[in-house]
Amino acid sequence: DIQMTQSPPVLSASVGDRVTLSCKASQNINKNLDWYQQKHGEAPKLLIYYTNNLQTGIPSRFSGSGSGTDYTLTISSLQPEDVATYYCYQYNSGWTFGGGTKLELK
Amino acid sequence: QIQLVQSGPELKKPGESVKISCKASGYTFTDYAMHWVKQAPGKGLKWMGWINTYTGKPTYADDFKGRFVFSLEASASTANLQISNLKNEDTATYFCASPGGYWGQGVMVTVSS
Repeated sequence: DIQMTQSPPVLSASVGDRVTLSCKASQNINKNLDWYQQKHGEAPKLLIYYTNNLQTGIPSRFSGSGSGTDYTLTISSLQPEDVATYYCYQYNSGWTFGGGTKLELK
Repeated sequence: QIQLVQSGPELKKPGESVKISCKASGYTFTDYAMHWVKQAPGKGLKWMGWINTYTGKPTYADDFKGRFVFSLEASASTANLQISNLKNEDTATYFCASPGGYWGQGVMVTVSS
C-alpha cells in the first residue's frame, strides 16, 4: 500500500505569508495527487487536482507542484479564511490520504 | 449542478447495524464511481473503498473488510454504506465522494451504550 506523509503536522503563519505544505509518497505516484482543504465541521473541498491544476472557483493564490514521490501545495499570500486542515491524497493505486497539515494563524 | 446528499445522523448501540445513504443528482449516476471515507472525531480522512456504480462491484480497503458493505439503488441514484456489529471505534463521520471533488455533507454515526 502507498503511504502518504504530510509535513509539518501543524503550521503557524501570518496573514500575507507565503506558505508551503509538503506531501511525500512511499513510492512514485505519477502526479496522481490532489489537495483538499477541510474547515471544521465541513466536508473537504477540492483545491488542486492532478498535482498542479486549480479547481474551478479556487483562488489563484493556491498552487501545486511536484512529481515522483514529492509534492507541494503553496499559498502565495495567506488569508484568514485559509485557516483549515489540508490533505493530500493519491489515486495512483487505490486512494490514500495524507495525515493532514493543520494551518493556523500566528 | 452535481450534488451528493447523505442521510441524517445516527445513534446506535454496540452490536447494532446502521445503513447510510448517499443520493446523487446532476449527473448520470452510473458514469462515476462512488467512494466512501471515514473521519473519526478529531482525526484525519481514511479511505474505506469504492463501488463501481455501473457493475455494482465493491472494493474495500484492508481495514474495512468484513463488517462494511457498499451497495447501490441505481434506479434511485443512491449509494449505501452498511456497517454491522457496530463497535465504539466506528464512531465517526462517513462521507461519500465521487471523482471531480464532489462530496456529500457527511453522516455522523455515534456508537455508544
